[in-house]
Amino acid sequence: GESVGLHLPTLSVQEGDNSIINCAYSNSASDYFIWYKQESGKGPQFIIDIRSNMDKRQGQRVTVLLNKTVKHLSLQIAATQPGDSAVYFCAEIGDNQGGKLIFGQGTELSVKP
Amino acid sequence: GAGVSQSPSNKVTEKGKDVELRCDPISGHTALYWYRQSLGQGLEFLIYFQGNSAPDKSGLPSDRFSAERTGGSVSTLTIQRTQQEDSAVYLCASSPQGRPEAFFGQGTRLTVV
Repeated sequence: GESVGLHLPTLSVQEGDNSIINCAYSNSASDYFIWYKQESGKGPQFIIDIRSNMDKRQGQRVTVLLNKTVKHLSLQIAATQPGDSAVYFCAEIGDNQGGKLIFGQGTELSVKP
Repeated sequence: GAGVSQSPSNKVTEKGKDVELRCDPISGHTALYWYRQSLGQGLEFLIYFQGNSAPDKSGLPSDRFSAERTGGSVSTLTIQRTQQEDSAVYLCASSPQGRPEAFFGQGTRLTVV
C-alpha cells in the first residue's frame, strides 16, 4: 500500500525553545495539508491544517508554513513544553488521489526539561 | 460525544488464523479510513470509504486483507490466514462531510504468534 518512511528522524529541543518540524510532500496537486501529533500508545491527534492556496496559518503556539514551489511543509511550535514530546506526522489530501489522506514520514520530538 | 471506537484494543492470534477488527466511527461521519502502523514507523494507508462510493482499496497489501462498511457506519477489517508480518497497530479514522481532518481511534494492536 501507499507507505510512509522507515525509522523516524528525531528532533531534540530544550524546554522553552521553539521547534521546527519539516516535511517534504510528493503530490503537487494536493488540496489540504494537515499536521498530526501522536503520543505513545495513542492514535494521531489533529493539530492544524492548511489549504493549498495559503502559505501560512497560525494556531495556538503552532504555525504551519507551506512552500508549494519546493513541496515543503513545516510546523513551528513556540515555547516547546514537555507535553509536546510526541511523533509528528504531516498528511496530504488530493482529489487526484481519490480524496484520501496520505501520511508522510513522521518526526519524533523530544523535549528536554 | 464519543470519538472513534476500535475493538478489540489488543488481539493475539496464532499464525494462520483469521481475525476481524472493528471500527465504530463518529456518528454522521461520511469518510472512514484504515491504516496500519508498524512499531516505530509511519501510517500505511490500507482502505478508504467515502459515503456510498466504491471504497478505495489501493492500499491493501494482499488479498488476505478485506474490509466492509455496513450501513455507512461500522467497519470491519478482516485479515485471513494471518502471518507474523501482519503484526502491527491497526488504526481507524473518520471524517465529516466536506472536512479534511480525520479523527482517529486508539487502534487495535495485533500480534501474530
